[in-house]
Amino acid sequence: GDSVTQMEGPVTLSEEAFLTINCTYTATGYPSLFWYVQYPGEGLQLLLKATKADDKGSNKGFEATYRKETTSFHLEKGSVQVSDSAVYFCALHMNRDDKIIFGKGTRLHILP
Amino acid sequence: EPEVTQTPSHQVTQMGQEVILRCVPISNHLYFYWYRQILGQKVEFLVSFYNNEISEKSEIFDDQFSVERPDGSNFTLKIRSTKLEDSAMYFCASTRRVTDTQYFGPGTRLTVL
Repeated sequence: GDSVTQMEGPVTLSEEAFLTINCTYTATGYPSLFWYVQYPGEGLQLLLKATKADDKGSNKGFEATYRKETTSFHLEKGSVQVSDSAVYFCALHMNRDDKIIFGKGTRLHILP
Repeated sequence: EPEVTQTPSHQVTQMGQEVILRCVPISNHLYFYWYRQILGQKVEFLVSFYNNEISEKSEIFDDQFSVERPDGSNFTLKIRSTKLEDSAMYFCASTRRVTDTQYFGPGTRLTVL
């Protein structure tokens, strides 16, 4: 079935470091792809999305490009801040389905 | 900006008791969802609801679970007889069209003792 695999955490970086969180997907068809973020004690917030191949989603300095050839949607940020500490979930949605399928989440710690 | 709201934020219950988790979706949205996240694990789909009926449900959503839209604004998840393994964060989500982005509420943390 359809699935999302993302890198295991936790990931610990120093402030201003470059961030990459890897995400790959398996789907029979062409899903929309998402990154959701969960800050401590809060719910899921949509961070960015891309709905077709080669689309780039971006928000708050984060970017991810929908790569059909490698079935990937890696999350990147050039210079992380302490306030970026959170759990990041990669997810996909097939138009034929109701549900979103989530990866296991990657916990990110940013040290000052 | 409109948002999905959920109450309560934290519910503690005894095993075997019934609980009702409440959600107020975004007002012009037509599709409603429940997901759950057991501590430290991935977010899992439970059920989707459209036009006053369930449109899809997962294998987790057994006879102990039910959903309802009792009025024009609320969307509820009922667990009839809670088990220890029902302890999780429960998220409500809504969207205007099934192909649109789903917007999530802040969640209700359910603790079953």
